[in-house]
Amino acid sequence: DTAVSQTPKYLVTQMGNDKSIKCEQNLGHDTMYWYKQDSKKFLKIMFSYNNKELIINETVPNRFSPKSPDKAHLNLHINSLELGDSAVYFCASSPRSTVQYEQYFGPGTRLTVT
Amino acid sequence: GNSVTQMEGPVTLSEEAFLTINCTYTATGYPSLFWYVQYPGEGLQLLLKATKADDKGSNKGFEATYRKETTSFHLEKGSVQVSDSAVYFCALSLTFISNFGNEKLTFGTGTRLTIIP
Repeated sequence: DTAVSQTPKYLVTQMGNDKSIKCEQNLGHDTMYWYKQDSKKFLKIMFSYNNKELIINETVPNRFSPKSPDKAHLNLHINSLELGDSAVYFCASSPRSTVQYEQYFGPGTRLTVT
Repeated sequence: GNSVTQMEGPVTLSEEAFLTINCTYTATGYPSLFWYVQYPGEGLQLLLKATKADDKGSNKGFEATYRKETTSFHLEKGSVQVSDSAVYFCALSLTFISNFGNEKLTFGTGTRLTIIP
């Protein structure tokens, strides 16, 4: 009965590869997010979707492409992986897109690019 | 721009000690303020929040008061436990008519807290 789940939990891959991270929430929330947490624990939003529509797109390389097939899922595809992409990626969801509503975070996906 | 500054960690305290983690912010307007906590191996969880000046957020024995005059939102707990060991993030968000529904959280760099028995 996990609220926000991500797969995989760990991902080790080589530079230049393409990989995807999946996120699912069973809370019935309208809004989902992707965050990147670097090695110093600095956390920054990348994207947010509300009812499958992109509403926040921070300055992220276009190698990163989010896709929301339905409002319960938000996947992140990364092309041509680089060393600097190594980080922990967190998915989150909230009932509505305004931040007055609590965001519920998944357990994270640790991506290591070698 | 908007930013959040937290005290540098790591912070190590003995059980039952008094905790303060400082947080100050810079914002073009009147933000809402949040504390999130990240336990080892987990995602972040909302700990408490305050949406206007002089509001006090509280949860699980933690408190923080929104101080507009000092642009601060310091986190306090009177008696910490080993189970409070985690990374604590201060965050803000700003809401305007122009960005309603598109707000985002701006996080501080996090403060790692370790409580020893």
